Amino acid sequence: EVQLLESGGGLVQPGGSLRLSCVASGFTFRTYAMGWVRQAPGKGLEWVSEVSPDGGSTYDADSVKGRFTISRDNSKNTLFLQMNSLRAEDTAVYFCAKDSSTWPDFFDYWGQGTLVAVSS
Amino acid sequence: DIQMTQSPSSLSASVGDRVTITCRASQSISSRLNWYQQRPGKAPKLLIYGASSLHGGVPSRFSGSGSGADFTLTISSLQPEDFATYYCQQNYGTPLTFGQGTRLEIK
Repeated sequence: EVQLLESGGGLVQPGGSLRLSCVASGFTFRTYAMGWVRQAPGKGLEWVSEVSPDGGSTYDADSVKGRFTISRDNSKNTLFLQMNSLRAEDTAVYFCAKDSSTWPDFFDYWGQGTLVAVSS
Repeated sequence: DIQMTQSPSSLSASVGDRVTITCRASQSISSRLNWYQQRPGKAPKLLIYGASSLHGGVPSRFSGSGSGADFTLTISSLQPEDFATYYCQQNYGTPLTFGQGTRLEIK
């Protein structure tokens, strides 16, 4: 059974930083792209970032480019999202998701999400 | 960026009804279209990929069709657990983009 468990969310002040983690199990982690999708309160889904199976290629939404960095540790089946220079508009539930392929495609499994709140 | 527009934004229906949700892309995306279901407070779940292929474990009352820029998700006979929000998503290119969602409510 595929499981994705996010952690690291919380309340942070504008301009601050936070690092999200996602531990994966139930599939061969190193062979799939992985991504982050967020959902602001009461809003729809927004693709944030994605990383290739070996970590060598990353893809980012313009809204987070230069502020967020996605990475992975295949030895620990863990996906990360380093979020810097956080803004109020980054407030959202962040979902970790397994891509069906080795490049940005579609997400066949999702974690339950972790809430990031940016406020003073 | 490819814009995805769903209609309607919300829909009221009864158990047993047949329901259709549409999704339109701002350009042709071939069959690179996927559908997700999200129940309140839960993570999204993949329903359909490649416009018409059912993800494993998804009931056969769900079906998808379309190609190019126009797509539909059909639920043939609504069940109580189907009342949720549905999103389309294109994987023709990055950034991956989602529709704004269609909220399906009980009449």
